[in-house]
Amino acid sequence: DGGITQSPKYLFRKEGQNVTLSCEQNLNHDAMYWYRQDPGQGLRLIYYSQIVNDFQKGDIAEGYSVSREKKESFPLTVTSAQKNPTAFYLCASSMGQSNEKLFFGSGTQLSVL
Amino acid sequence: RKEVEQDPGPFNVPEGATVAFNCTYSNSASQSFFWYRQDCRKEPKLLMSVYSSGNEDGRFTAQLNRASQYISLLIRDSKLSDSATYLCVVYNNAGNMLTFGGGTRLMVKP
Repeated sequence: DGGITQSPKYLFRKEGQNVTLSCEQNLNHDAMYWYRQDPGQGLRLIYYSQIVNDFQKGDIAEGYSVSREKKESFPLTVTSAQKNPTAFYLCASSMGQSNEKLFFGSGTQLSVL
Repeated sequence: RKEVEQDPGPFNVPEGATVAFNCTYSNSASQSFFWYRQDCRKEPKLLMSVYSSGNEDGRFTAQLNRASQYISLLIRDSKLSDSATYLCVVYNNAGNMLTFGGGTRLMVKP
């Protein structure tokens, strides 16, 4: 079955540590996105990539980094510079030039120890 | 002012009730509109698109008012399983991006 897979489901970060969230899709979608969701709030865009080897900052990119070396994969690294990383992280993808319809992964809950 | 605004709720309603949510958007050039449903700690799932003429899907009706820049979602005969957060989502062709509202939480009680 085609879909988008995020791992791990739960992740814990120690002070000063970098952690990487995985996102893989086999939908052959060109565009991929990372969103952050805090309790009781909507989704905020961290980074997005419209094509392999290219990505752009979203609204809250500080403290995060991404790479897009393969079409299928768009990992997100939460660096030590992100002082408040506890949140629910959602990866999504969309096909073609129009980003109207998003397909979401099941999310990763990141917490700080 | 936020680009997409929703009343966070929660809306507490009894089973069988009719409930409506509104969502306002600030960018008059917005092209497409959607309602997503999100269960706690799960990914959002597309509930329905919102067309200019309004559209209905079973117990759910969505409407768009471009003049006043808001969209609405009406749920009739509420079920316990309708309890969730409903996200209003607006698409802007110019930026080719989606903007999410903060969500409205619905709790349907027996």
